[in-house]
Amino acid sequence: DTGVSQDPRHKITKRGQNVTFRCDPISEHNRLYWYRQTLGQGPEFLTYFQNEAQLEKSRLLSDRFSAERPKGSFSTLEIQRTEQGDSAMYLCASRDYSYNEQFFGPGTRLTVL
Amino acid sequence: AQTVTQSQPEMSVQEAETVTLSCTYDTSESDYYLFWYKQPPSRQMILVIRQEAYKQQNATENRFSVNFQKAAKSFSLKISDSQLGDAAMYFCALDSGGGADGLTFGKGTHLIIQP
Repeated sequence: DTGVSQDPRHKITKRGQNVTFRCDPISEHNRLYWYRQTLGQGPEFLTYFQNEAQLEKSRLLSDRFSAERPKGSFSTLEIQRTEQGDSAMYLCASRDYSYNEQFFGPGTRLTVL
Repeated sequence: AQTVTQSQPEMSVQEAETVTLSCTYDTSESDYYLFWYKQPPSRQMILVIRQEAYKQQNATENRFSVNFQKAAKSFSLKISDSQLGDAAMYFCALDSGGGADGLTFGKGTHLIIQP
């Protein structure tokens, strides 16, 4: 078990461009979460999947954000028409249904110029 | 809505001494989980300790222990025999939605270990 992985680790983009991030959870974990963390703040919940179903979305997740988890394995988070305010660390976490502990990935740091 | 408050932006402790990080929270649920996560400069979050609200006994993990006061909605973390490797951001987090709403985090406490 190699833990939760995220790709890319860093992404620099220009305002208005689309970006996509990938998260590979721990293989037997059926729950997957996305968070956003800005400098000096704690992570904020964005969305939650149980298997392939997206069950919760925060109001922080504007229409420009979309997340998928096809086949209940890896997940992608896409941001369309990026804005400077989207600059943040995007964290992915996974957990097993039966035990309440979330394991976090290293995050993807997004910089929007 | 649930909230988590960490009132200490930064704490400093001498190596080998004990430090306590404070956390208060608010939730209308009676069943919930509380966590302390550590985020070292490499930024990967690591679980330090967790507490189930229905358990009255305070959780302990080696040098880390909590003081869980349910009525006061307080959840402090005590680190004994502080080590240089304990230097990090520490986040208190609450899960009162059965996992469906994700974790609610505080703003964090930056812990400095003085050699």
